[in-house]
Amino acid sequence: EVQLVETGGGLIQPGGSLRLSCAASGFIVSSNYMSWVRQAPGKGLEWVSFIYSGGSTYYADSVKGRFTISRDNSKNTLYLQMNSLRADDTAFYYCACIAVAGLYFDYWGQGTLVTVSS
Amino acid sequence: EIVMTQSPATLSVSPGERATLSCRASQSVSSNLAWYQQKPGQAPRLLIYGASTRATGIPARFSGSGSGTELTLTISSLQSEDFAVYYCQQYNIWPPTFGQGTKVEIK
Repeated sequence: EVQLVETGGGLIQPGGSLRLSCAASGFIVSSNYMSWVRQAPGKGLEWVSFIYSGGSTYYADSVKGRFTISRDNSKNTLYLQMNSLRADDTAFYYCACIAVAGLYFDYWGQGTLVTVSS
Repeated sequence: EIVMTQSPATLSVSPGERATLSCRASQSVSSNLAWYQQKPGQAPRLLIYGASTRATGIPARFSGSGSGTELTLTISSLQSEDFAVYYCQQYNIWPPTFGQGTKVEIK
């Protein structure tokens, strides 16, 4: 059974940094396309970043240059390093698997809340 | 980027009735469209991909149709567990984009 468990969220001041983790089980992270998707409280969904099985990475314009997606194959874990955080980064952050058939999200973690506030 | 517009924003439906949700794209997405269901406090769940293919374990009362710029999610007979927010997402053109959601509430 595929399972994704995010950790690392919390309250952080503007300009600060945070690293989110997504521990996967039931499949191999490095063999799949993976993503982070976020949702501001009460708002819609926004994709944040992708990492492909070959290692290529992609970012939404809103986070480019500030966020870095990576993975640790030995731990079967996906990460999102978030720097220079802003108030509008406040959101639930979901780790998700990207389907083989296209860039849609077939498995999701439960999410972790990041609150950027002074 | 492609803008996805969902309508209505809120749909009030009685249990057992049919619900029809619309998703309009600012340019053609072909059939590269997914639908998700999200209940309060939960992560989204994939319902439909390829515009009309149900994901694993999704009941037959959920169906997707359409292609191009006009796509539809139909719930044939609403059950209590179907009251939720539904999002469409296109993956035909980079970057993938979501609609703003339709909330299906109890009438």
